[in-house]
Amino acid sequence: SQKIEQNSEALNIQEGKTATLTCNYTNYSPAYLQWYRQDPGRGPVFLLLIRENEKEKRKERLKVTFDTTLKQSLFHITASQPADSATYLCALPYNTDKLIFGTGTRLQVFP
Amino acid sequence: GAVVSQHPSWVICKSGTSVKIECRSLDFQATTMFWYRQFPKQSLMLMATSNEGSKATYEQGVEKDKFLINHASLTLSTLTVTSAHPEDSSFYICSARQLSSRDTQYFGPGTRLTVL
Repeated sequence: SQKIEQNSEALNIQEGKTATLTCNYTNYSPAYLQWYRQDPGRGPVFLLLIRENEKEKRKERLKVTFDTTLKQSLFHITASQPADSATYLCALPYNTDKLIFGTGTRLQVFP
Repeated sequence: GAVVSQHPSWVICKSGTSVKIECRSLDFQATTMFWYRQFPKQSLMLMATSNEGSKATYEQGVEKDKFLINHASLTLSTLTVTSAHPEDSSFYICSARQLSSRDTQYFGPGTRLTVL
């Protein structure tokens, strides 16, 4: 069955640095991959979608890469700010656009 | 645009009672709505998929008689947890999808259910 892995340990970085989060998947060839932000006690908020034929996608300070050979996506936040502190989830589609989510990586940006 | 609301945002109930959670798409028509459950420090787990005007499709291991889903209109879906027990305490999140954008789900803010 499909499996998604995100680093369960929290990532602590200093303000202004670039945060890099990893999403690995197995037993799977998704047509696209999505990244979400989730704050405590809130639902996920969609950030970016990258398709299998795209290597990289950018949105403001966010950058996502998608390596279908490595079965890996990297999510970068440049010039990170304390307001970027949250849990970031990757999600992959299956069975006609249902989504399977990773467990998320908690990012803490300190001043 | 693409705002999804849930009501209530939190609810506490006694064991054995039923609780209804509403999910509304405020500014678009949602042909499909999804219901997820998230336990602390775990991932979102899909419970069921509902299409407007038809019966919901439940994921393996989810009891359809316990989690009743109704999607009677293009802007409203409800999840009723029947005969709730403490193990049903969780964070329930809905999402909605437009027919024109099948790869995008818009999520509600979630409902925290606590069963005493």
